[in-house]
Amino acid sequence: AQRVTQPEKLLSVFKGAPVELKCNYSYSGSPELFWYVQYSRQRLQLLLRHISRESIKGFTADLNKGETSFHLKKPFAQEEDSAMYYCAPPRGNKLVFGAGTILRVKS
Amino acid sequence: GAGVSQSPSNKVTEKGKDVELRCDPISGHTALYWYRQRLGQGLEFLIYFQGNSAPDKSGLPSDRFSAERTGESVSTLTIQRTQQEDSAVYLCASSLAGTSVGETQYFGPGTRLLVL
Repeated sequence: AQRVTQPEKLLSVFKGAPVELKCNYSYSGSPELFWYVQYSRQRLQLLLRHISRESIKGFTADLNKGETSFHLKKPFAQEEDSAMYYCAPPRGNKLVFGAGTILRVKS
Repeated sequence: GAGVSQSPSNKVTEKGKDVELRCDPISGHTALYWYRQRLGQGLEFLIYFQGNSAPDKSGLPSDRFSAERTGESVSTLTIQRTQQEDSAVYLCASSLAGTSVGETQYFGPGTRLLVL
């Protein structure tokens, strides 16, 4: 069974500080991995996906197969990054969501 | 265009009553998903519809839960004889085809269910 673990429920950083939201997965085969984000009073939405290797809003995520991790990183946090972040590897056509990490960026 | 819509936005019911939650997917999206999010927990997959295929019901927590979808349009999630542990936000999502791994899912605003 595929599992995803986000070890931190809450991550609090100061504006301008680097951010790393951790995600570890258990998977057999080559995983596709996603990060979804939910800003306050907004819908859950896709932030980025591993396969496209893109940077969205300054965030990047590298798949580390050796460590089975897909951590989300941003070099300089902004206040508008405050949100709930979910790591979500798919299982077939379904997404398996981690428990989520609340990111709070303090001024 | 319009995104995924859900109704009602909030529902308060008494234990033992039945409730129906509605989801309108994005027009043209053949895949539709229901998830549940209990307070302080992550999203939990419930059921998945894709076109005319048999739905994947593997996430439904009990036989009190059922869902239907008419063609490629509206879906309703029904919870019979509600229990307090059913209190949660129920999220619906749709995607274009649902046939490729990792297709982007577009989420509705959710229905917040409170069972007293």
